[in-house]
Amino acid sequence: AQSVTQLDSHVSVSEGTPVLLRCNYSSSYSPSLFWYVQHPNKGLQLLLKYTSAATLVKGINGFEAEFKKSETSFHLTKPSAHMSDAAEYFCVVSVQGNTPLVFGKGTRLSVIA
Amino acid sequence: GAGVSQSPSNKVTEKGKDVELRCDPISGHTALYWYRQSLGQGLEFLIYFQGNSAPDKSGLPSDRFSAERTGGSVSTLTIQRTQQEDSAVYLCASSLGQATDTQYFGPGTRLTVL
Repeated sequence: AQSVTQLDSHVSVSEGTPVLLRCNYSSSYSPSLFWYVQHPNKGLQLLLKYTSAATLVKGINGFEAEFKKSETSFHLTKPSAHMSDAAEYFCVVSVQGNTPLVFGKGTRLSVIA
Repeated sequence: GAGVSQSPSNKVTEKGKDVELRCDPISGHTALYWYRQSLGQGLEFLIYFQGNSAPDKSGLPSDRFSAERTGGSVSTLTIQRTQQEDSAVYLCASSLGQATDTQYFGPGTRLTVL
């Protein structure tokens, strides 16, 4: 069975500083990995996804993530945080494209002015 | 184009009542999913429809929960004899139905059981 562990429930950064949201996965098969973002009272929006192509994946709003099989990690990064990045971020795994997604518990990102 | 829509956006009901939640997927999407987001439980899978295949109901928490998908499009999630622990945001997602396709989520229905 597959699972996802988001290592931090809450991350706080200052505006303009780098963002690192950590995610480790467990899967018996080659996984598809996603990061979704959820702003307050809004729906889930896809940030980026990895599906066995390039290991460094670029997403929207300047975010990117690197798939590291040896470390079973898929950490999300952004060089410079913006106030509008404050939201809940979910790391998600899927073994096959049409199976239900397995969500991590989420990481709440706070951005301090 | 239009995204996934859900109705109602908010539903308040009394314990013991039945509720129906509706999901309109993106046109042309053959796969449809229901998830539940609640405090302390995170996001959990409920049920999954793919084309004309039998749905995957493995995530339904009890037999009070059921779902239908009519004509391969609109889906209804029904909760019978609601309990307070059913209070949550119910999310619907759809995808094209191919491997690695992205699931697109609706805004959710917030259910409060008093």
